[in-house]
Amino acid sequence: EADIYQTPRYLVIGTGKKITLECSQTMGHDKMYWYQQDPGMELHLIHYSYGVNSTEKGDLSSESTVSRIRTEHFPLTLESARPSHTSQYLCASSEYGYGYTFGSGTRLTVV
Amino acid sequence: GDSVTQMEGPVTLSEEAFLTINCTYTATGYPSLFWYVQYPGEGLQLLLKATKADDKGSNKGFEATYRKETTSFHLEKGSVQVSDSAVYFCALSLGGTSYGKLTFGQGTILTVHP
Repeated sequence: EADIYQTPRYLVIGTGKKITLECSQTMGHDKMYWYQQDPGMELHLIHYSYGVNSTEKGDLSSESTVSRIRTEHFPLTLESARPSHTSQYLCASSEYGYGYTFGSGTRLTVV
Repeated sequence: GDSVTQMEGPVTLSEEAFLTINCTYTATGYPSLFWYVQYPGEGLQLLLKATKADDKGSNKGFEATYRKETTSFHLEKGSVQVSDSAVYFCALSLGGTSYGKLTFGQGTILTVHP
């Protein structure tokens, strides 16, 4: 059973639209992450957070933004979607001594 | 910076064949090492891990040994099944059990035929 939930699973949206991808975890983990997975499968860290009100950009530059107002919630927002944003987005969390848990992902298509 | 390199794929095998997927890493510190598996349309699942040199991670018949001298963490399975068809990712993290951000290899597609 997944303890980290991503919605929606699939999203097709027009260019220029604003979208928010939701990620919630029920484990109380302090650390949360967003990875972008391109069609070639590679996973790139785009944002991470080590606690409430703490967010950092990852290794891959992204036009998206994130917020961490509550421990369990780490949404990702694109203000103006473009076809180049078409990808799968994976959310994950981790905790000291526990390891990582991944969500099932959101597959975004921008037309 | 830190990086993970996996053998180029895809890998295609017959059922019951032996599997090796090579993984080497570069890290500034002393990383923990992981293998993750991704089935079609799903997220990543932890397959196995090792946190220090000479540790052997194992799960579901898969094994990998943390080799500090060769900076490697190769994945092996003695007899693959059709159900093992998936994408396999090698990954590292620094910071021990505090589990900071993961750095992934490029992934290897495994297809197993009956």
